[in-house]
Amino acid sequence: DTEVTQTPKHLVMGMTNKKSLKCEQHMGHRAMYWYKQKAKKPPELMFVYSYEKLSINESVPSRFSPECPNSSLLNLHLHALQPEDSALYLCASSFTQGSTEAFFGQGTRLTVV
Amino acid sequence: EDKVVQSPLSLVVHEGDTVTLNCSYEVTNFRSLLWYKQEKKAPTFLFMLTSSGIEKKSGRLSSILDKKELFSILNITATQTGDSAVYLCAVERGVNYGGATNKLIFGTGTLLAVQP
Repeated sequence: DTEVTQTPKHLVMGMTNKKSLKCEQHMGHRAMYWYKQKAKKPPELMFVYSYEKLSINESVPSRFSPECPNSSLLNLHLHALQPEDSALYLCASSFTQGSTEAFFGQGTRLTVV
Repeated sequence: EDKVVQSPLSLVVHEGDTVTLNCSYEVTNFRSLLWYKQEKKAPTFLFMLTSSGIEKKSGRLSSILDKKELFSILNITATQTGDSAVYLCAVERGVNYGGATNKLIFGTGTLLAVQP
């Protein structure tokens, strides 16, 4: 199994809603990442978890709240988002944060209305 | 400030042509350089380069890194329409010097369109 699975694939939410994005991998990877990608822009790192502990937070607003309940799962909890938060949210994983390639999921296309 | 710059921004070629995509970088605490192909959603991994002058090859694709001049190139020979995609260059930098915490910094990508 060499997949990173993200759900849902698409999400439309209002500015007062609370929703969660989910990411799962069964490759034994111990580093997991959230990226945000706006149209025609490269992915931008949001969070990194290493061995289920948050190791990097790229000054992301608190309306985005990551959670890593175990080594295979990564969640991103969303609350009170703004329309400018609409983007493709990509999850990735790698064996460690050493020099090793990261595998990306297909992403969740989020629209905030 | 860390920078990863790709050129050209976009490129249109015909099937069978050879293309060279460029990536230059200025990143502190460099660890590696990676190339990804992004078609619709997920970037898919192509190469990871850590040493200068050693070419990596996979079929019609090849890549090489120059750590002295701070750049990498991705070559695609005998292009096919299926090669049409955005090609992303990313540099991995160490965040905690001497530690094992790294982050990927992506370039803006090169949009390649291969026409039949």
